[in-house]
Amino acid sequence: QQPVQSPQAVILREGEDAVINCSSSKALYSVHWYRQKHGEAPVFLMILLKGGEQKGHDKISASFNEKKQQSSLYLTASQLSYSGTYFCGTESTWSGTASKLTFGTGTRLQVTL
Amino acid sequence: DAGITQSPRHKVTETGTPVTLRCHQTENHRYMYWYRQDPGHGLRLIHYSYGVKDTDKGEVSDGYSVSRSKTEDFLLTLESATSSQTSVYFCAISERVSAEAFFGQGTRLTVV
Repeated sequence: QQPVQSPQAVILREGEDAVINCSSSKALYSVHWYRQKHGEAPVFLMILLKGGEQKGHDKISASFNEKKQQSSLYLTASQLSYSGTYFCGTESTWSGTASKLTFGTGTRLQVTL
Repeated sequence: DAGITQSPRHKVTETGTPVTLRCHQTENHRYMYWYRQDPGHGLRLIHYSYGVKDTDKGEVSDGYSVSRSKTEDFLLTLESATSSQTSVYFCAISERVSAEAFFGQGTRLTVV
């Protein structure tokens, strides 16, 4: 079952902040975040592990609430280059061998001048 | 950039014909994945592999089969293509559990 992302789409002016949420009905081992530009392949942003710390990447950071099986991606002082579709990917509690990386439906983010 | 290549990049095929998509990696990564991307559905997992000859189903595996006879190649086969399988297909690789996944450039498949 795919994780659920919200909002589905957001439009920002350059310099504004945004939050993208990801939730799952399953117990999670890790949460990944990727960004996809139009016509291109998704590109890795960061990964959060159960019991790990909040991650940051320039002005993009994320958190992982293990109890609620939720993650949030924070984009601060957005830039035009942040435009794209953001996907969260989740791995459920690991059996020790397999890793089923399942993605959400995506959040389309557009940054304007 | 991670060494991952998908072929073909574009394909048009007729309903009922078999189709095989290939994902080739030069990174010696253990995990390989096949996804399809459709508007409104994001990326949906079709099948994945956690080693040579070790594969498992994803969320939308009906109508698809996979094979991995060697580390570098992961093949996705549509036994009898249908119009509902028109999509963009992405292959991804990952070195280990909970590690960064690298995506191929995608294959645009049209079934007419």
